[in-house]
Amino acid sequence: EIHLLESGGGLVQPGGSLRLSCAASGFTFGNYAMVWVRQAPGKGLEWVSGLSYSGGSAYYAGSVKGRFTVSRDNAQNTLYLEMNDLRAEDTALYYCAKDLRAFDLVGVVFDYWGQGTLVTVSS
Amino acid sequence: QSALTQPRSVSGSPGQSVTISCTGTSSDIGTYNYDSWYQHSPGKAPRLVIYDVNRRPSEVPDRFSGSKSGNTASLTISGLQAEDEADYYCTSYDGTSLLFGGGTMVTVL
Repeated sequence: EIHLLESGGGLVQPGGSLRLSCAASGFTFGNYAMVWVRQAPGKGLEWVSGLSYSGGSAYYAGSVKGRFTVSRDNAQNTLYLEMNDLRAEDTALYYCAKDLRAFDLVGVVFDYWGQGTLVTVSS
Repeated sequence: QSALTQPRSVSGSPGQSVTISCTGTSSDIGTYNYDSWYQHSPGKAPRLVIYDVNRRPSEVPDRFSGSKSGNTASLTISGLQAEDEADYYCTSYDGTSLLFGGGTMVTVL
């Protein structure tokens, strides 16, 4: 059974940093692109970042480009999101999700999602 | 403001059909056949119900169907059931980014 488990969220002050992790199991992690999607309180889903199956191609939403870095360790079946210079508007529940199709450079359809980890940016 | 435009809410009685629209541009929905739809309930992970415009994951009931005309994608839920009450989000691709709609709340009366 496929599982995705996010961790690393918490309360951080504006300008601070956090590193989110997404531990994957139940599938060949290194064969699938992955994505981070967030949902701010009372708002809709927002794509944050995507990473190809090999980790060679990364993509970012304009709102986080230059502040967030996505990476993966295929040996450890883990996806990461390094978040720097955090702002109040980054407060959200952060989900990781698995691409539907193997060996995509850009994941655009996601068939499995985690339960999310909450990031709160506040002083 | 979301890149794709959805109605804030739609409603229907059990057994009826509802259709949710998702309007983009010629650069996203109008070009790529990656339109997808996700069902999302509070406290749950999003669930893929339609992908590639009109394909349905095997575990999703055939009451869910997708279509597209021009720059607008649509999700139809036929034979509405109480368990279908949730938020629904469309997505598309513009060549560099994955785009989400603002979400539509489906209420079963």
